[in-house]
Amino acid sequence: ILNVEQSPQSLHVQEGDSTNFTCSFPSSNFYALHWYRWETAKSPEALFVMTLNGDEKKKGRISATLNTKEGYSYLYIKGSQPEDSATYLCAFNTNAGKSTFGDGTTLTVKP
Amino acid sequence: SQTIHQWPATLVQPVGSPLSLECTVEGTSNPNLYWYRQAAGRGLQLLFYSVGIGQISSEVPQNLSASRPQDRQFILSSKKLLLSDSGFYLCAWSVPSLSYEQYFGPGTRLTVT
Repeated sequence: ILNVEQSPQSLHVQEGDSTNFTCSFPSSNFYALHWYRWETAKSPEALFVMTLNGDEKKKGRISATLNTKEGYSYLYIKGSQPEDSATYLCAFNTNAGKSTFGDGTTLTVKP
Repeated sequence: SQTIHQWPATLVQPVGSPLSLECTVEGTSNPNLYWYRQAAGRGLQLLFYSVGIGQISSEVPQNLSASRPQDRQFILSSKKLLLSDSGFYLCAWSVPSLSYEQYFGPGTRLTVT
């Protein structure tokens, strides 16, 4: 059984704060690491996919890094806005075609 | 463009009744297909995935089954629902061997009473 852990479980920040979350995953048989954003009443949507050790991806105020050797990824949000409120999921893939999801970090940004 | 449909959106069923949830994908061929469940306060648990017609892998022992009668159709079933089957069910697809990024359907909220 693959263990993917995310921390913290939930986070409350003020608008304008910067924040980051952690995703830990097995360091063996790595194929890809995905970050998804899951807003209330919607379906999860992909933010980033990272495949190489040292990968860094950025989309607007959100960025992510990847360390496959030690088995972790960080997601950063700079200057949080209320519309960033969502649950952020990470998913670990081997090359067998299935994703193992963490339980997510629920972010609430207060105006 | 690709589209994934899932129905019904919500369902309330009594314990012991059967279940059938359907998922269809448009605009792609030979997708990998997945069924996930989110129980209350938890993340996504993979229930089944399929790499082709009639090919189903079950991830956890449970009261549910899945079938893939056509390339872009994935069905989740149960003969007799349990209270513990309540949750939010998501269907997803991915392009085989291309990072396996998942594209999710709108989900079905199942309440077993």
